[in-house]
Order: sequence, then structure tokens, then C-alpha cells
Amino acid sequence: KNEVEQSPQNLTAQEGEFITINCSYSVGISALHWLQQHPGGGIVSLFMLSSGKKKHGRLIATINIQEKHSSLHITASHPRDSAVYICAVRPMNYGGSQGNLIFGKGTKLSVKP
Amino acid sequence: EPEVTQTPSHQVTQMGQEVILRCVPISNHLYFYWYRQILGQKVEFLVSFYNNEISEKSEIFDDQFSVERPDGSNFTLKIRSTKLEDSAMYFCASSDQPIVRQFFGPGTRLTVL
Repeated sequence: KNEVEQSPQNLTAQEGEFITINCSYSVGISALHWLQQHPGGGIVSLFMLSSGKKKHGRLIATINIQEKHSSLHITASHPRDSAVYICAVRPMNYGGSQGNLIFGKGTKLSVKP
Repeated sequence: EPEVTQTPSHQVTQMGQEVILRCVPISNHLYFYWYRQILGQKVEFLVSFYNNEISEKSEIFDDQFSVERPDGSNFTLKIRSTKLEDSAMYFCASSDQPIVRQFFGPGTRLTVL
């Protein structure tokens, strides 16, 4: 069973559209990360959140700890937003260790002009 | 913005050979990580490192793998005797605290022939 599930797996949008990518997880977490992986392979950290909502430019990330769910929204999408968006969670290990990151499979976004 | 750097960008090696992948984390960061991504698959955690010792490792990180911080700037991943299945992109990351945004390097693509 995947501990981190993302949907959709693939998403094609027209430039300007509002985009939502979802992430559900099954473990207790101390933090959730949204990452962007460019076609060349490089990974950029977009957000780290443990509650509520964060906004950076056209990107908004929300998390609902009770429902074990997070969403990444892109407003006014642009072709340069085309990338794989990855959700990763840091599980809460009650032994005191901070745990490692568990990654989702990613959502491949393609924004057409 | 400061960056994590990795060298080489691409390494080709013969099965059974030792490889050392190098990373220079961001200078004031104290927590270091290695991840790998086999082509077409999700990113997987390998190991985290703090205060000159491994703080956590995954089941992937077996006796063939080791990490070291040989000086104040470099953080290395050594694979003692490479196997075909070690072919992957290896990402280094660093952070200044354990549960915060991690900064990723551009990755080293390892090809084992």
C-alpha cells in the first residue's frame, strides 16, 4: 500500500487555467513537502507545511491534518509551470526520531499555450 | 539564493566498481540527506546525516553504501561495489533544521554498465 497517494497522475491544462493537485497520506506526519521536478530532473522545494495554508506567488498549498490531505493550487497557469509535482511527507515516529521523507509518485503537469 | 551543488552530473561505471558521489551542501546547514530516483520511479530516501553521524537510513542503504563528511564543506555518498540496479539519479539535500524545507542539489545520474 502506498503511504502517499497523489492525484491525478497526469494533468494537461490550457494556459491560464486554475490547477489543483491532490495528495493523501496514511501515516501521522510532522510535515508535508511539495516539490517540483523539472524535465531535466532537478528538484526544487516549493513548500513545507504542517498546518493551514501557504502562498508563494501563484502557488498555494493547503493541508488538512485531520483528513490527511493536502492540495497544491496553481493560479493563472503558464507553460513554464509544466513539471512533475511531488508530495512528500515526513512521518512522525513516536520513538523520537524525526523520520525520513516518503514520496508520492508525482503528478505530471503539462500546460499548453 | 544559496544552492546545493553535486558532482559529477553524470557518472558511468562498470559493475563492481566503487563510486563516490560528491555534494556541497549550503554552508550553514547542519542536516544532510541522500535520495535516489530510479528512472521512471518515485524518489526514495537513502540516509540522513547530522553531527557527523547517520541519524536515519532506509533499507536501501545497505553495507554497500556509506556516507562521509570528509571536511567542512563536502558530503559524499560511496557505493562500494556497484550493481546494475544502482543506476539512478542521486540527489543530495540539506537543511538547517530537521523539519524544515530541504534544499536539493541538481542530482548525479549514475549509470552502471
